[in-house]
Amino acid sequence: AQSVTQLGSHVSVSEGALVLLRCNYSSSVPPYLFWYVQYPNQGLQLLLKYTTGATLVKGINGFEAEFKKSETSFHLTKPSAHMSDAAEYFCAVRLYGNKLVFGAGTILRVKS
Amino acid sequence: DSGVTQTPKHLITATGQRVTLRCSPRSGDLSVYWYQQSLDQGLQFLIQYYNGEERAKGNILERFSAQQFPDLHSELNLSSLELGDSALYFCASSAGLVEGMDTQYFGPGTRLTVL
Repeated sequence: AQSVTQLGSHVSVSEGALVLLRCNYSSSVPPYLFWYVQYPNQGLQLLLKYTTGATLVKGINGFEAEFKKSETSFHLTKPSAHMSDAAEYFCAVRLYGNKLVFGAGTILRVKS
Repeated sequence: DSGVTQTPKHLITATGQRVTLRCSPRSGDLSVYWYQQSLDQGLQFLIQYYNGEERAKGNILERFSAQQFPDLHSELNLSSLELGDSALYFCASSAGLVEGMDTQYFGPGTRLTVL
């Protein structure tokens, strides 16, 4: 069965510091992987996705993620955190058809 | 703004009642998905429709049903509501042209509170 594990329900970083949000997946087929962000009282916005091809994926707002098959990971990074990055981040893997299985989410707090 | 609209934004109702949530997909998108977000279950896929036909089912209760109309908007019907149904319900849409390859765009959600 396909599933997603996000390590750390809460992550706190200082403004300007590196952001690293961890995601591990299990999948019996080549995975399609996604990161979504949810700002307070809003819907989910796609940050980036990996389907095939280049394993380093660049997304919006300076975020990127690297697909590592050997580690079954798809960690999200950003070199320098901004206050506006404070939100909840969800990693997801696509199941058959097009339905998504989401991780439990990681709340990112950015300290000034 | 994703282009997916959901109404109403908030809904407060009592146990045992029935409600209908509405979703309008992005222009041109053929697939609609419903998800439930709750504190204890997280984000869970409920059901998918593609061009009016049910395509996939997830953890959707028998008390819940959905449909997609010819104009491609979708409705999620929740009946015999229980306290545990209180959650944020999201609709997403995608072009649906290449299965598994297209992106799902999420609406702002409907927050349902069952008292």
